Amino acid sequence: TQLLEQSPQFLSIQEGENLTVYCNSSSVFSSLQWYRQEPGEGPVLLVTVVTGGEVKKLKRLTFQFGDARKDSSLHITAAQPGDTGLYLCAGRGSQGNLIFGKGTKLSVKP
Amino acid sequence: EAGVVQSPRYKIIEKKQPVAFWCNPISGHNTLYWYRQNLGQGPELLIRYENEEAVDDSQLPKDRFSAERLKGVDSTLKIQPAELGDSAVYLCASSRWTTTDTQYFGPGTRLTVL
Repeated sequence: TQLLEQSPQFLSIQEGENLTVYCNSSSVFSSLQWYRQEPGEGPVLLVTVVTGGEVKKLKRLTFQFGDARKDSSLHITAAQPGDTGLYLCAGRGSQGNLIFGKGTKLSVKP
Repeated sequence: EAGVVQSPRYKIIEKKQPVAFWCNPISGHNTLYWYRQNLGQGPELLIRYENEEAVDDSQLPKDRFSAERLKGVDSTLKIQPAELGDSAVYLCASSRWTTTDTQYFGPGTRLTVL
C-alpha cells in the first residue's frame, strides 16, 4: 500500500516567518502534487513535480521533489495570513489515482 | 468557466436515513471522481467515472453506497442507510480526460449523521 505521511500535522506561526512542510513515503511516485484547501472549499492544485530533484517556485512558495521521488517539501518564505489553509500532498498510485496525505494545517497570524 | 458544482453544501440526517449528493462537473470534462474526506484526513477516492462508465469503484462500500453518472455528465452519490461513521465531506472532482490531467474539485457536501 502506498502511503504519504505529512509533517507537521499543525503549524501556527506569525506573519513574516518562514516554514517548511514535508511529505514522505517509502514508495516511489511518478509525480507528486501539492494542494491547498481552505475551509469549506475543495483542494486547489498548486504544483506538480515530476522529475527527481526538481525544484519549482510559485511566488513565495518553493516545492522540491526528492532525488529518489519518495519525498517532497514545501517551503514558504515570509508567510502571510492569506497562506492559511490545509496543505495536502498527493502522489499518483499504481492505477493512476491520487493518493493524498493527511495534510498540514497552517495558521499564519497577523 | 464555471467550476465543479455540488449540492447540497450541508446535510444533517439521522442514522439509517438515505441521503444523496449531486455533482455537475466542468463542461467538457469526461472524468469524474467522488472522494470522501474524513475530519483531519486527506481525500480518499470512492469512485471514478470515465464518461458514464465506472472504471474504478474498488473503494466504494457497495453494501450501502451507490453512484450513477447518466449521460456522462452530472453524477449522484447515494448512501442508504447512512451510518454514524459516514459523517464526512464528500468531494466531487473532474478532469478533462485521464487521471493524469489536472483534477478540479468542487466545494464538497458536509454530511453529519446523528
